[in-house]
Amino acid sequence: GAGVSQSPSNKVTEKGKDVELRCDPISGHTALYWYRQSLGQGLEFLIYFQGNSAPDKSGLPSDRFSAERTGGSVSTLTIQRTQQEDSAVYLCASSFGRSNYGYTFGSGTRLTVV
Amino acid sequence: QKEVEQNSGPLSVPEGAIASLNCTYSDRGSQSFFWYRQYSGKSPELIMSIYSNGDKEDGRFTAQLNKASQYVSLLIRDSQPSDSATYLCAVRAGAGSYQLTFGKGTKLSVIP
Repeated sequence: GAGVSQSPSNKVTEKGKDVELRCDPISGHTALYWYRQSLGQGLEFLIYFQGNSAPDKSGLPSDRFSAERTGGSVSTLTIQRTQQEDSAVYLCASSFGRSNYGYTFGSGTRLTVV
Repeated sequence: QKEVEQNSGPLSVPEGAIASLNCTYSDRGSQSFFWYRQYSGKSPELIMSIYSNGDKEDGRFTAQLNKASQYVSLLIRDSQPSDSATYLCAVRAGAGSYQLTFGKGTKLSVIP
């Protein structure tokens, strides 16, 4: 597609429920990144994919968080047993592999855990 | 721990003035530097990239890099109210690195 597409744009969920966030990167971009931005905070790195592999999962905050990417394209970030501290904007970005180019971000998913 | 530091602001400048945004980074091996603009409620948008010491100009924007001082800056000439946003500095480490480390951003307000 023309840009990075994320869905849903907004998600309100009850504490303890599982949620899935979807990212569809720019066509041809082999690298895909998930970041989290909490209110008034900076961008927190979560995970990086090169193709379907995730060489670095070190940013995932807990084992409740997982992510996968299939077909070198769409990625899903899953949060199990959501907690209120998971409330944030989850941003997906993509780029041409390990290039010198910056990322292109999607519009984000605003997750609210009540 | 790689760190990127920015003054959180807010930085207020009158319309038509030059806005100067600054960023320092801790990893001396960093090689790629980026400025993103983020409007309230929106996602970050890449506006400038710089890789070599010196200045890089693009329209009203100039990025400046000094690797010896581990310092990168963004100048916005003829500031407009539409430039009011949070500006994020991002740094990528050496060759083979993939992750961008972001500063927390400087909020710029351009007063008409």
